[in-house]
Amino acid sequence: DAKTTQPNSMESNEEEPVHLPCNHSTISGTDYIHWYRQLPSQGPEYVIHGLTSNVNNRMASLAIAEDRKSSTLILHRATLRDAAVYYCILRAQGGKLIFGQGTELSVKP
Amino acid sequence: GAVVSQHPSRVICKSGTSVKIECRSLDFQATTMFWYRQFPKKSLMLMATSNEGSKATYEQGVEKDKFLINHASLTLSTLTVTSAHPEDSSFYICSALRPGSDYNYGYTFGSGTRLTVV
Repeated sequence: DAKTTQPNSMESNEEEPVHLPCNHSTISGTDYIHWYRQLPSQGPEYVIHGLTSNVNNRMASLAIAEDRKSSTLILHRATLRDAAVYYCILRAQGGKLIFGQGTELSVKP
Repeated sequence: GAVVSQHPSRVICKSGTSVKIECRSLDFQATTMFWYRQFPKKSLMLMATSNEGSKATYEQGVEKDKFLINHASLTLSTLTVTSAHPEDSSFYICSALRPGSDYNYGYTFGSGTRLTVV
């Protein structure tokens, strides 16, 4: 399974945008880029996914580099409820989700 | 939306006993379910893939005789931790995959079970 690299932690101020980076230099052509987040003592929650093009949904935006070797999850206005561990995962076609270490995001009021 | 229920949410058991954790898909049928464990401040580690009606596929290093997985119906998978010891204390999380769905949207996670072995 292709590997992802994320910073261990990041801080943000409430109401400000947050850019969470992810490197995946060994990504293959069929790997989808997924982002999940996990609040304390809960199961992971789907955030967004993409393959080649940038994606937007009600939770976040996903910016994918042209060579697909990196991507950035963008939270447009961080709230206290966005404090969580964010996981960037490469999902092979029909494959299981293998979680990396993730980025622990803290949001300051 | 798809809902996956895990039960119990917390369990404390004595060393040497067995504990069963249930994972149910409430509003869809799941041919495939996944079991993860998570230690404090660590990421989720995939333990096994459970397919309805067949034997589970375990990840390397996971003892199949220790962690018994049964997926007897399309809405229920169980994980039994046999002869539990304190080192088995962990947060166990299941995930169910909706059949026929786009794999990108199809994974739904349960809320987890915190197991403490004393």
